[in-house]
Amino acid sequence: EPEVTQTPSHQVTQMGQEVILRCVPISNHLYFYWYRQILGQKVEFLVSFYNNEISEKSEIFDDQFSVERPDGSNFTLKIRSTKLEDSAMYFCASGILQGSYYEQYFGPGTRLTVT
Amino acid sequence: LAKTTQPISMDSYEGQEVNITCSHNNIATNDYITWYQQFPSQGPRFIIQGYKTKVTNEVASLFIPADRKSSTLSLPRVSLSDTAVYYCLVGGMGGATNKLIFGTGTLLAVQP
Repeated sequence: EPEVTQTPSHQVTQMGQEVILRCVPISNHLYFYWYRQILGQKVEFLVSFYNNEISEKSEIFDDQFSVERPDGSNFTLKIRSTKLEDSAMYFCASGILQGSYYEQYFGPGTRLTVT
Repeated sequence: LAKTTQPISMDSYEGQEVNITCSHNNIATNDYITWYQQFPSQGPRFIIQGYKTKVTNEVASLFIPADRKSSTLSLPRVSLSDTAVYYCLVGGMGGATNKLIFGTGTLLAVQP
């Protein structure tokens, strides 16, 4: 079964550093997302990406965040200057319409720890 | 997006059927009902989706009454490995975003 993959599984960085989280969505999917989950809290939507552009972003997704699909297979989330409160599990997802229903597939996540 | 309400937690025993009910009084005409499962330190996993009546797949059944203001996820004969958080989500589909808005979910604890 095809799956979404994410690298690295765990990233430790110092406050103020830039990080890039990488995702390889399922190949025939058209919709791409980033979500995050702070430990013990809800899964939160960050951004959706469709047709090579951001289609929607949440309040969390401020100017420190950016997304790219540089080569038609990878989908990246960049945090320019990390803050302690960016520590969370970051999930990439890709989605497709499956006939009469819509399904999003989530990756295993990248645990980001900002020290 | 419609707000959902579901129990914070439920307990069950192996082999039992578990029914988790979700309320979504403000569901819109074009909204679908979707359930996801999440194990600790893993991404959510799609379980089932429906619009009305009953939907069944190899994992679960989803019951939706005619007014669609609630839905019930039914897990037959649960095992220890079904211990997870179960999320009920309501929203439209087919648009350019299709973002998922997660609530706090229901923590199902299955005991031997």
